[in-house]
Amino acid sequence: QVQLEETGPGLVKPSQTLSLTCTVSGGSISSGSYYWSWIRQPAGKGLEWIGRIYASGGTDYHPSLKSRVTISVDTSRNQFSLKLSSVTAADTAVYYCARGIVGPTHWFDPWGQGTLVTVSS
Amino acid sequence: QSALTQPRSVSGSPGQSVTISCTGTSSDVGAYNYVSWYQQHPGKAPKLMVYDVTKRPSGVPDRFSGSKSGNTASLTISGLQAEDESDYYCCSYAGSYSLFGGGTKLTVL
Repeated sequence: QVQLEETGPGLVKPSQTLSLTCTVSGGSISSGSYYWSWIRQPAGKGLEWIGRIYASGGTDYHPSLKSRVTISVDTSRNQFSLKLSSVTAADTAVYYCARGIVGPTHWFDPWGQGTLVTVSS
Repeated sequence: QSALTQPRSVSGSPGQSVTISCTGTSSDVGAYNYVSWYQQHPGKAPKLMVYDVTKRPSGVPDRFSGSKSGNTASLTISGLQAEDESDYYCCSYAGSYSLFGGGTKLTVL
């Protein structure tokens, strides 16, 4: 079955850019049936959807993060990536990648195990 | 774009039923039948329990059921079991983006 795994630096300095990659195994990221999302969770708090990318490269972002977020896809490596610029301590969170399905439906499954990113000098 | 509203906590005894509410607006929960629910145990990734308001993925017990009325969706867990103790999050499609609720901690007494 499809599995997702997040990788990237666990520590980022304030004002810098957070960069994470999600590697998809057990299925092709190029399938037009799915889209690929990033979701984050600050410690002890709720989930926040960040954005998604379709196999075509089309993207949608959360309105409150839109100015700082870029999601891209590398179909040759079966990976998609997140870049979040000008980070502050408020961006400290566990970051998850997850799969969604295109069509008249809406859900996220499966999810990666998550990776903790701390913003600190 | 505000998060969906969920009660911070609910509780119930084994065998009882509990309902968790998720309140949004006419632009998200009320506009689409695209509400999903996730169970998250401590230190683990969320798990899909219900999608499109009422549908259950394969493998999810039928003790978990979803519904919606107006701008409020609900997750009902019947026949509570100890392993149901967890955090639960709702999520709604909102047009070009998705919104999550703040989460509800379910305690099985």
